[in-house]
Amino acid sequence: DAGITQSPRHKVTETGTPVTLRCHQTENHRYMYWYRQDPGHGLRLIHYSYGVKDTDKGEVSDGYSVSRSKTEDFLLTLESATSSQTSVYFCAIKLAGGYEQYFGPGTRLTVT
Amino acid sequence: GENVEQHPSTLSVQEGDSAVIKCTYSDSASNYFPWYKQELGKRPQLIIDIRSNVGEKKDQRIAVTLNKTAKHFSLHITETQPEDSAVYFCAADSGGSNYKLTFGKGTLLTVNP
Repeated sequence: DAGITQSPRHKVTETGTPVTLRCHQTENHRYMYWYRQDPGHGLRLIHYSYGVKDTDKGEVSDGYSVSRSKTEDFLLTLESATSSQTSVYFCAIKLAGGYEQYFGPGTRLTVT
Repeated sequence: GENVEQHPSTLSVQEGDSAVIKCTYSDSASNYFPWYKQELGKRPQLIIDIRSNVGEKKDQRIAVTLNKTAKHFSLHITETQPEDSAVYFCAADSGGSNYKLTFGKGTLLTVNP
């Protein structure tokens, strides 16, 4: 599984509450990505990181922030969750030596 | 930014037939084109990829072709089996140094026994 895990795997939260999703990897990969997956939209990039404290926005970054204070953890935060952020969130890492991205198991988030 | 269009959105074939999924991209700087397979409730998994210096790549029953001039690439699955039923996504990289991928919206492939 390329040493990548996500937590929690499922979460139900109320509109307006803050939510943090965690992506953890054990193999010292430099590049990490957060995507959301919605029916009819495929996978869309939210934010990505190219090193500790180095992050940048993807195509759907509004309403999300990220942090990477150490190599192994990439956190995605919804400061004030909205129903439009109900989705499945996937973290991915770029494997060393090439271009391949390997995905974590995903987090299903429901905002009521 | 990059835009990736994928067609068809659904595809139904009989077992043993071939299936073809097509994608177009907009950024001429893109040079990496992966295909992912996603089964229901699972993570997307890479099944094959191609770099821009190659026109075709095969792996058993799966092949990908790339036409850089026309900016399109295709996935070909031969001798389809029921276990090939899944959603397939194409993607293209941004051509920059951060290996960002832009995905198509996916194709639901159903292989009927």
